[in-house]
Amino acid sequence: DAEITQSPRHKITETGRQVTLACHQTWNHNNMFWYRQDLGHGLRLIHYSYGVQDTNKGEVSDGYSVSRSNTEDLPLTLESAASSQTSVYFCASSESTSGGGNEQFFGPGTRLTVL
Amino acid sequence: LAKTTQPISMDSYEGQEVNITCSHNNIATNDYITWYQQFPSQGPRFIIQGYKTKVTNEVASLFIPADRKSSTLSLPRVSLSDTAVYYCLVGETGRRALTFGSGTRLQVQP
Repeated sequence: DAEITQSPRHKITETGRQVTLACHQTWNHNNMFWYRQDLGHGLRLIHYSYGVQDTNKGEVSDGYSVSRSNTEDLPLTLESAASSQTSVYFCASSESTSGGGNEQFFGPGTRLTVL
Repeated sequence: LAKTTQPISMDSYEGQEVNITCSHNNIATNDYITWYQQFPSQGPRFIIQGYKTKVTNEVASLFIPADRKSSTLSLPRVSLSDTAVYYCLVGETGRRALTFGSGTRLQVQP
């Protein structure tokens, strides 16, 4: 069955270190997204991609970067981790459509703690 | 994406029908209305989506009035396992990035 996976599921790192969170989907979806969710709050969009070599900034992109070298993967990099980036990170994917209507499929999340 | 407003929390009992209403006064012509469910420590999960009138699937119904400025998610005969946060989103949600609000926290009691 097609799926979307994230790794690692849990990560503890130190301030200033570079961290990369992996996201892999086997649906062959063109659209991929990264969100963060802080305790007790909704999800906020970090970066998204509509296809290979395409990346776009979301509402909270400062301190994060992504690259899309193939359809299946959209790794998220924290260039210099800060305590404010302690959060749960969700990756999602969806099909491309000319109009609206397709659902996004979410991964299980990565819980990141920056000490 | 259109801004949405929904109640912060709701309480219910097992076996009751739960209706969660979402306001979206500035919905655009091409926008769909989508509801997601999120359990603790899990990613959101698609529940239902609609454009107008009524949509029903195996888990919920979505009622959308003619002016489309609001919508109501209806969960029939809820169980304890329906305790979750429910998000209402408006926009071309398949392609474009989603804007999640704070959602409605539904607590179902025995």
